[in-house]
Amino acid sequence: AQSVTQLDSHVSVSEGTPVLLRCNYSSSYSPSLFWYVQHPNKGLQLLLKYTSAATLVKGINGFEAEFKKSETSFHLTKPSAHMSDAAEYFCVVSDRDNYGQNFVFGPGTRLSVLP
Amino acid sequence: ETGVTQTPRHLVMGMTNKKSLKCEQHLGHNAMYWYKQSAKKPLELMFVYNFKEQTENNSVPSRFSPECPNSSHLFLHLHTLQPEDSALYLCASSQGRGTVYGYTFGSGTRLTVV
Repeated sequence: AQSVTQLDSHVSVSEGTPVLLRCNYSSSYSPSLFWYVQHPNKGLQLLLKYTSAATLVKGINGFEAEFKKSETSFHLTKPSAHMSDAAEYFCVVSDRDNYGQNFVFGPGTRLSVLP
Repeated sequence: ETGVTQTPRHLVMGMTNKKSLKCEQHLGHNAMYWYKQSAKKPLELMFVYNFKEQTENNSVPSRFSPECPNSSHLFLHLHTLQPEDSALYLCASSQGRGTVYGYTFGSGTRLTVV
């Protein structure tokens, strides 16, 4: 069965400094991986996805993530944080089960951006 | 707007009330989902519908009753809820169940049970 671990429940950075949100997964097959962002009182928005093409994936708002199979990781990065990046971030693995594809959400990492 | 619309955005209901949450998508997606998001807890999958047929019910109490009249609409009927049911209820859709292309989420309904 697949699972997702987000190593930090809360990350705090200063505006203009790099962001690193960590995600590790376990999966029986070759998974698809996603990062979603949720701003307060909003739904989840897709940031980027990995679906077995290039291992370095670029998403919206300057975010990118690198799929590292040997480390079973899919960490999210951004070179320079902006105040509007403050939100909850979810790492998601999509894997196969008897019904087809199954989504498993990580517990989330709350990103705070300090002025 | 994401293409998935949820109404109402906020709902306050008493424990003896009956209410319904509505989700609508016109993205041509075949699968629709209800998730529950409670404070400090992971996202919980409640129900999955694929081509209008319910394919998953993750041990959800019977006071939550889903309905999917067609591939574009999904309802969650609520009755005799408990205060611990207060949460953000999110609807999502996808092209095929759990597609590699990801889910599209609505903005959610913030439910408060008093």
